[in-house]
Amino acid sequence: DAKTTQPTSMDCAEGRAANLPCNHSTISGNEYVYWYRQIHSQGPQYIIHGLKNNETNEMASLIITEDRKSSTLILPHATLRDTAVYYCIVRLVNDYKLSFGAGTTVTVRA
Amino acid sequence: EAGVAQSPRYKIIEKRQSVAFWCNPISGHATLYWYQQILGQGPKLLIQFQNNGVVDDSQLPKDRFSAERLKGVDSTLKIQPAKLEDSAVYLCASSPQLQNNEQFFGPGTRLTVL
Repeated sequence: DAKTTQPTSMDCAEGRAANLPCNHSTISGNEYVYWYRQIHSQGPQYIIHGLKNNETNEMASLIITEDRKSSTLILPHATLRDTAVYYCIVRLVNDYKLSFGAGTTVTVRA
Repeated sequence: EAGVAQSPRYKIIEKRQSVAFWCNPISGHATLYWYQQILGQGPKLLIQFQNNGVVDDSQLPKDRFSAERLKGVDSTLKIQPAKLEDSAVYLCASSPQLQNNEQFFGPGTRLTVL
């Protein structure tokens, strides 16, 4: 019972912005949108999360649509080290569980 | 700040053998998680500890898997006996509190069951 839908894979050019889409059409008002990524042979790494408003940190920006049914993770200047599997996850505000799907395999090409 | 440590990094065993994995979370983190990640899939939560108590073990196959967190710090995950389908990466993660926004993951232990 996946709560999010992501493309299986995508390529992007080094130095350009990478825009990763995620659909979560059944999201409720008390659920966060989380993004993690997993570089090959490493454990997942937290990137960013948001509830309603757009968020930005040193790694990425998260844009959530007004109806909250979809979001986009933006890596502003992709580098080869950003090649990874990116997971979009919906999590209840008062819960701790992260339910990972298959994610999007992002390949940054020189 | 040291990250989550796991050992061993790799383990190969035959089916029906036993195996144990060790995790040392980030110092001061009260919450510890064990995940199983089968090739090509996202991690799946097996068990969660808050200090030395189990919060959630609903996804743990209790007939063969066991985990403990003595003294609320290090944790071990055991499989006895192992099956072929247990081949996976076993990830440990920790967070400061139960509902903290960020979980910090270790590098994982890759288990191959022959």
